[in-house]
Amino acid sequence: GNSVTQMEGPVTLSEEAFLTINCTYTATGYPSLFWYVQYPGEGLQLLLKATKADDKGSNKGFEATYRKETTSFHLEKGSVQVSDSAVYFCALVTTGTASKLTFGTGTRLQVTL
Amino acid sequence: NAGVTQTPKFQVLKTGQSMTLQCAQDMNHEYMSWYRQDPGMGLRLIHYSVGAGITDQGEVPNGYNVSRSTTEDFPLRLLSAAPSQTSVYFCATRSDRVYGYTFGSGTRLTVV
Repeated sequence: GNSVTQMEGPVTLSEEAFLTINCTYTATGYPSLFWYVQYPGEGLQLLLKATKADDKGSNKGFEATYRKETTSFHLEKGSVQVSDSAVYFCALVTTGTASKLTFGTGTRLQVTL
Repeated sequence: NAGVTQTPKFQVLKTGQSMTLQCAQDMNHEYMSWYRQDPGMGLRLIHYSVGAGITDQGEVPNGYNVSRSTTEDFPLRLLSAAPSQTSVYFCATRSDRVYGYTFGSGTRLTVV
């Protein structure tokens, strides 16, 4: 079956620090990969996605590259802001699974001044 | 566009009570689903529907029922609430043509 493994949090960074949140996956078939962000008290918002190997998803300064050889989709940002404090979820979907998203457990990011 | 609307936002139930969590969307998305979010476990799929009249079980369906009589609505029913169902519930929809999912803002349910 499908599974997603994320690094455990919380991750605490100072403003302007470099961010990496690791995500690896196991999937049958060829997955599409996503990062979702959840701000306090809110639902999940799509942050970025990649649908095939070597694709790079990017949005709001965040990037992630679909690495088929290492089955990874690590999230990076060069300079975090306090407003980036949230929980980040890596997720995947494969064809033939009726569009069911499989999520990682989430990584909480706390950015301080 | 309202997107995905979930009601209520908060609910407290006593063990054994029943209730329905509502999810409505105005995007004409065929696919709708319910997830529960628990600390340290991410989001787990409860039930999903690929169109009106079609539903199927997800990863954790026990204790929940769904129906899909219209494209717009996908209610989640708790038949006899248990403390283990204390969670935050999210409804999510998807268009057939894109892989982007749209989530509602969630319902925080506490069963005492």
